[in-house]
Amino acid sequence: SAVISQKPSRDICQRGTSLTIQCQVDSQVTMMFWYRQQPGQSLTLIATANQGSEATYESGFVIDKFPISRPNLTFSTLTVSNMSPEDSSIYLCSARDWGEGTIYFGEGSWLTVV
Amino acid sequence: GQQVMQIPQYQHVQEGEDFTTYCNSSTTLSNIQWYKQRPGGHPVFLIQLVKSGEVKKQKRLTFQFGEAKKNSSLHITATQTTDVGTYFCAGGGSQGNLIFGKGTKLSVKP
Repeated sequence: SAVISQKPSRDICQRGTSLTIQCQVDSQVTMMFWYRQQPGQSLTLIATANQGSEATYESGFVIDKFPISRPNLTFSTLTVSNMSPEDSSIYLCSARDWGEGTIYFGEGSWLTVV
Repeated sequence: GQQVMQIPQYQHVQEGEDFTTYCNSSTTLSNIQWYKQRPGGHPVFLIQLVKSGEVKKQKRLTFQFGEAKKNSSLHITATQTTDVGTYFCAGGGSQGNLIFGKGTKLSVKP
C-alpha cells in the first residue's frame, strides 16, 4: 500500500490569500488526485494531477483557483488561491497504486478561512 | 455524469445489532471500493471489489458487488462501538478516479 503525507495538516488562512498544500507518496503511483471534503459532506474530486502536464479538472473547478503541479511520480501540490470562507474544507490528496489500482488517501489538510 | 447513490444517510444502532449500507450506481462500475472515515479522520481504505457477484469478508464485515456491477453493500454483524464512523462507497470512474457516494454515518449506542 502507498503511504501519503500531506502538509500542512491544518491551517487558518486570511481571506484573499493563497495556500499551497504538498502531497508526497512513499512509492511510485500511477495517478494522483485531489479531493475536497466540506464539513459533514462526501468527497468531491477537484482534479487529476498529471505528471509533467496540466491537471485535468472536474466540472466546477478551474486552474486559476486551484493550480496543481505534479513534477514527478510521487509528488504533487495543490494551491487554493484567493481564498474565501467558502473554501474552508478538508483537502485530500490521493494516489492510485500500480497493483490492484487501490486508491489511498493522505490524512488531509484542514483549512479554515477567516 | 456518473453518480453513486448511497443509503441510508444515517444509521443508529444498539451495540450488537447488525448494520448494512447500500450503494447504487447509474452506470456499470469497473470496481467499487469501500472506505471508513472516523470523526476527525481521513478516509481509510477497507476493500476493493472487482468481479461481478463478488463477496469478500473481513471479520465481521461482509462486502458484496452486484451481478450487474451497479450495486454494492457493506454489512457489519454485531456492531461494536469501534465501528462508529462514516462508511463511503466509491465507484471506479472511467478516468481511473473514484466517484464517492454521500456516505452512511453509523453511530453505535453501547
